[in-house]
Amino acid sequence: GAGVSQSPRYKVTKRGQDVALRCDPISGHVSLYWYRQALGQGPEFLTYFNYEAQQDKSGLPNDRFSAERPEGSISTLTIQRTEQRDSAMYRCASSLEQVATEAFFGQGTRLTVV
Amino acid sequence: GQQVMQIPQYQHVQEGEDFTTYCNSSTTLSNIQWYKQRPGGHPVFLIQLVKSGEVKKQKRLTFQFGEAKKNSSLHITATQTTDVGTYFCAGRDSSNTGKLIFGQGTTLQVKP
Repeated sequence: GAGVSQSPRYKVTKRGQDVALRCDPISGHVSLYWYRQALGQGPEFLTYFNYEAQQDKSGLPNDRFSAERPEGSISTLTIQRTEQRDSAMYRCASSLEQVATEAFFGQGTRLTVV
Repeated sequence: GQQVMQIPQYQHVQEGEDFTTYCNSSTTLSNIQWYKQRPGGHPVFLIQLVKSGEVKKQKRLTFQFGEAKKNSSLHITATQTTDVGTYFCAGRDSSNTGKLIFGQGTTLQVKP
């Protein structure tokens, strides 16, 4: 695709439900990042992958959050037993290489937990 | 862990005035990037600085990377209404070059 694609764009879920957020990076991009962005704040690092390998998951808030990129392309961020505090914009970005290259962001998924 | 701080959080200027935002890292960086996010949009890459003391210009924008590679600045000369948005710096720690950490951003408002 022409850019990073995230789906769904908006997700409203009830507290306690599981949600899966999808990211389709730019074709051929090695690195894929997940961020969470609260209104008026900078993107907060969650995790990143090189190819299919999860390199760093130190930003995942707790064990309800997990991410995978099984074939080194599409990635899924899963939040189990959602809580209201999980409401935020979740952003995915990809870059051609791990270092020294720009990150291209998708439009994000706005998650609202009610 | 690595932290990236930006000041100021907000800046309101009259069109034509200059604007500067500052970025400071708690650790030495391998490189630093700057992004701009328009209201309702997503962060868009502006530039990357790699070398100690590096200065780069893009039209009215001047970017600097500190000698110690722990701080950076973005200066806009003669702001225009099209400069409105939030400017983020993002750094890669020299010991963990894959992890890109963003600052909190500086939101610029320009009054015409």
